[in-house]
Amino acid sequence: DSGVTQTPKHLITATGQRVTLRCSPRSGDLSVYWYQQSLDQGLQFLIQYYNGEERAKGNILERFSAQQFPDLHSELNLSSLELGDSALYFCASSGGYQGDTQYFGPGTRLTVL
Amino acid sequence: SQKIEQNSEALNIQEGKTATLTCNYTNYSPAYLQWYRQDPGRGPVFLLLIRENEKEKRKERLKVTFDTTLKQSLFHITASQPADSATYLCAADRGSTLGRLYFGRGTQLTVWP
Repeated sequence: DSGVTQTPKHLITATGQRVTLRCSPRSGDLSVYWYQQSLDQGLQFLIQYYNGEERAKGNILERFSAQQFPDLHSELNLSSLELGDSALYFCASSGGYQGDTQYFGPGTRLTVL
Repeated sequence: SQKIEQNSEALNIQEGKTATLTCNYTNYSPAYLQWYRQDPGRGPVFLLLIRENEKEKRKERLKVTFDTTLKQSLFHITASQPADSATYLCAADRGSTLGRLYFGRGTQLTVWP
């Protein structure tokens, strides 16, 4: 158990809908990272937050947004969903914002029908 | 752009043998490399980190090397066991990108009895 929790575990929705994925980092970790993993793309970095502020952005679509709250939990919002958004979404956390080992949550499996 | 490549998609070896996985990077010089293990449907789990000024790191049956001349890291599992069967991911960071990890596609290791 990494200490990172993600909810929900599974999510099935229709195209055009909006969903919110939630992540609670390990106790004491200030950084939260979001990744998307699909069969054809591997693990892709989406975005990083550190202590409530956005720190780095990767291959995140404009339809996606994220935030980190004062209690350090984070939410990833996916809107106008398309079939291609079906994937595993992982949250990871680390203590610092640079050069740290990342601890991954169990993931949320999103299926868009 | 920066690239992390794991040359083998799959590696099959017999129990007791040493598994060697390869990770190559191009177009930049990472400050360190990390290796993660991922089981199907689960989040990656951190195994080892090696910095650019380190040649070799060991942890129990695991060994990782970092050759900055060849731009390559090798990950070894000695006395392999069927329980070692999983996908192994190489990840690299560049300190200036604030903890962002670039992941390889992974090598699926199968250890047969």
